[in-house]
Amino acid sequence: EVQLVESGGRLVQPGRSLRLSCRASGFTFGDYTMTWVRQAPGRGPESVGFIRTQALGGTAEYAASVKGRFSISRDDSRSIAYLQMNGLKIEDAAVYYCSFSRARPYWGQGTLVTVSS
Amino acid sequence: DIVMTQSPDSLALSLGERATINCKSSRSILYNSDNKSYLTWYQQKPGQPPKVIIYWASTRESGVPDRFSGGGSGTDFTLTISSLQAEDVAVYYCQQHYETPLTFGGGTKVEIK
Repeated sequence: EVQLVESGGRLVQPGRSLRLSCRASGFTFGDYTMTWVRQAPGRGPESVGFIRTQALGGTAEYAASVKGRFSISRDDSRSIAYLQMNGLKIEDAAVYYCSFSRARPYWGQGTLVTVSS
Repeated sequence: DIVMTQSPDSLALSLGERATINCKSSRSILYNSDNKSYLTWYQQKPGQPPKVIIYWASTRESGVPDRFSGGGSGTDFTLTISSLQAEDVAVYYCQQHYETPLTFGGGTKVEIK
């Protein structure tokens, strides 16, 4: 059974950093591009960025709203994707999900990031 | 990036009525190699993550009631709820996963009149 479990979300002050993790199981993690999606309260989902497989270069791309502040990495040996968030802003507050697509998209349950002083 | 445009923003219907939600992509999301449109419909209820109800534009996810159906191909898609039930009150989103970055429609809020 495919499972994605996000963790690491918490309350953090503006300007601080946070690292989220996404632990995957039930599929060959290294074969899939992994995407981080966030959803702010009352808003629709938004792709934050994604990381390609090693076969495709292992490079990451980011939404304009987070470029230069967020970075995505992956550890295929442990089936984990990471989202490093630096310089957090109030508007980064959201539930963060990891996702991949195999015929259909799969999502985790999400982890809540609150940004407040 | 592929832009997904969803309409209407909200819908209020009586129980048993038919609900139709539209989604349009700015470019075709049909893969010629498998003739499938990489369009997913989600249902989201308060406090829950989005739940896949339709993928490949028209394939119903296991366990989803058959009053939900998806149609369309290429750039124009619809989600239909044939007979609206109280438990269908939710926000519905379309999403393309034809290419990264994944992009979403703005959502349609379905309520009971």
